[in-house]
Amino acid sequence: KAGVTQTPRYLIKTRGQQVTLSCSPISGHRSVSWYQQTPGQGLQFLFEYFSETQRNKGNFPGRFSGRQFSNSRSEMNVSTLELGDSALYLCASSPPAPPDEQFFGPGTRLTVL
Amino acid sequence: AQSVTQPDIHITVSEGASLELRCNYSYGATPYLFWYVQSPGQGLQLLLKYFSGDTLVQGIKGFEAEFKRSQSSFNLRKPSVHWSDAAEYFCAVGPKDKLIFGTGTRLQVFP
Repeated sequence: KAGVTQTPRYLIKTRGQQVTLSCSPISGHRSVSWYQQTPGQGLQFLFEYFSETQRNKGNFPGRFSGRQFSNSRSEMNVSTLELGDSALYLCASSPPAPPDEQFFGPGTRLTVL
Repeated sequence: AQSVTQPDIHITVSEGASLELRCNYSYGATPYLFWYVQSPGQGLQLLLKYFSGDTLVQGIKGFEAEFKRSQSSFNLRKPSVHWSDAAEYFCAVGPKDKLIFGTGTRLQVFP
């Protein structure tokens, strides 16, 4: 079974631009969570989607948004990029039943210049 | 507030030596606890998890962890470290879909 895939793997943007990252969960998984990883703040939870609905949200500004499609694929969008948005963005999916764990993708490395 | 503390930012051990990585948590309810490993440029791989029951849990790659409620700890151990274990290790708490991570411990292994 294929793992969680994220595209693109690397991205360079400039301040003020917006960006969209994509995540394809493991087949059959309906929950998708997003995390931001930076050297200064570590791993922080952004939001979680389940069956196209945002179920949980972390403490990030409204510039960070996401959505989930009927096939469980998810996208996250960051508008008006700031230098501090440079990070590794990790997506994770989990099944509706045990095992109760998340499976992480390799991440998208976003650099904001 | 819910939080996870990993007091050791960087640990260096010799190959074949034993290892213990510390994790302390603060969580209002009965915690779900996890240990993940991250190799450079990679995502996170689950090593082991604790939900309930036996407080000593076994994971992959020869790792184990012990849940101690009285100490709010969930330390990760391995009896004999291999060079391939060099990576960053993260302790996490919470429901599986909304994890709170510690700041990580970078493990360096010398031959």
